[in-house]
Amino acid sequence: AQKITQTQPGMFVQEKEAVTLDCTYDTSDPSYGLFWYKQPSSGEMIFLIYQGSYDQQNATEGRYSLNFQKARKSANLVISASQLGDSAMYFCAMREVWRGSQGNLIFGKGTKLSVKP
Amino acid sequence: DVKVTQSSRYLVKRTGEKVFLECVQDMDHENMFWYRQDPGLGLRLIYFSYDVKMKEKGDIPEGYSVSREKKERFSLILESASTNQTSMYLCASREGQGVGGELFFGEGSRLTVL
Repeated sequence: AQKITQTQPGMFVQEKEAVTLDCTYDTSDPSYGLFWYKQPSSGEMIFLIYQGSYDQQNATEGRYSLNFQKARKSANLVISASQLGDSAMYFCAMREVWRGSQGNLIFGKGTKLSVKP
Repeated sequence: DVKVTQSSRYLVKRTGEKVFLECVQDMDHENMFWYRQDPGLGLRLIYFSYDVKMKEKGDIPEGYSVSREKKERFSLILESASTNQTSMYLCASREGQGVGGELFFGEGSRLTVL
């Protein structure tokens, strides 16, 4: 079974609108972390936002927020006021503490977001 | 600024050649990782290292080996390159332990094996 599922291979959003990128995860570990990365066409991986499994509040970083629904095992990324520069691949990832302190991330297959002017 | 540097952005090699992909980080991180990225498959872990001379297999280690002789440098080695190893290779590092703390990535090395 996939650990991280991103069901939207591609999405379009109009500039200045908000968009939600879906991510569900599968773990039996009570302690885990959830991450979102952005990968523009240039290829570098840019860290966006982090949510810990014990965090009470949803994480926010500027225009990015993480809609964390623990019971549903979902960690959707919300981008507000989309900009043309938001066009990129977006990856959801998880770290499970049982895998050891080295901290490998398990990645989903990604969602390609295209922002239309 | 933190920095993870991969030695080559683009490489073209022939089947059977030995290939070295180098990665250097300047953040004194203990943990370093090599991922492979393919369209529709996301990132998959090849190997990681949590200390000098220490290494652990990831999810897809077949056909690869690694070397970590110095803390800042983690090398991925393809002993005999094959066409199915044509891919984007990403190196990453992180400090410390525990569930938090992001990975810092290099810019990637796009390898084509002919």
